[in-house]
Amino acid sequence: GIQVEQSPPDLILQEGANSTLRCNFSDSVNNLQWFHQNPWGQLINLFYIPSGTKQNGRLSATTVATERYSLLYISSSQTTDSGVYFCAVSGGGADGLTFGKGTHLIIQP
Amino acid sequence: DSGVTQTPKHLITATGQRVTLRCSPRSGDLSVYWYQQSLDQGLQFLIQYYNGEERAKGNILERFSAQQFPDLHSELNLSSLELGDSALYFCASSATGNTIYFGEGSWLTVV
Repeated sequence: GIQVEQSPPDLILQEGANSTLRCNFSDSVNNLQWFHQNPWGQLINLFYIPSGTKQNGRLSATTVATERYSLLYISSSQTTDSGVYFCAVSGGGADGLTFGKGTHLIIQP
Repeated sequence: DSGVTQTPKHLITATGQRVTLRCSPRSGDLSVYWYQQSLDQGLQFLIQYYNGEERAKGNILERFSAQQFPDLHSELNLSSLELGDSALYFCASSATGNTIYFGEGSWLTVV
């Protein structure tokens, strides 16, 4: 199956800082999503982005499918951005999403 | 609120017991997925149903089973529970297979 690697595993930043989270995947994908898991365990969709670039407020994402990676950018971080960010992919057909191990982000006030 | 509803939110049960987790997908979504999140295994895909039929199988144990009913709600049955089955179980739904929306999860503790 597809392998998903996320980096860095942990990231501690001050409020207001910017960050870039990376997701590498081992094969072609037809679905790539970024999720934020908050401290209460909820998994919240951020982007559906199998290719291209999208922006939503302070967050943006870029997937370069030909090079098998995706980046999530968080600008002007707030403490509410803390949590774990997951990249999840699937390669097509009848397939569930394969999740990476996540990036644990802590934003300090 | 994703629109996916899971019950119960928390469940504590003893080893060897059987539990049923319930999921109502977002209105109109035909696909339902079940995932397990544990500290050692991370987030793992268990099984997918589409309009009542099993569509894909992931790392689902033989002690676990699921079904999707005509009204599109789904149930995940976990039997002969072991301590290692303690985890957060997510249901998710999708209309097109693109964006997949997750419920808040059911926290299962096996003691």
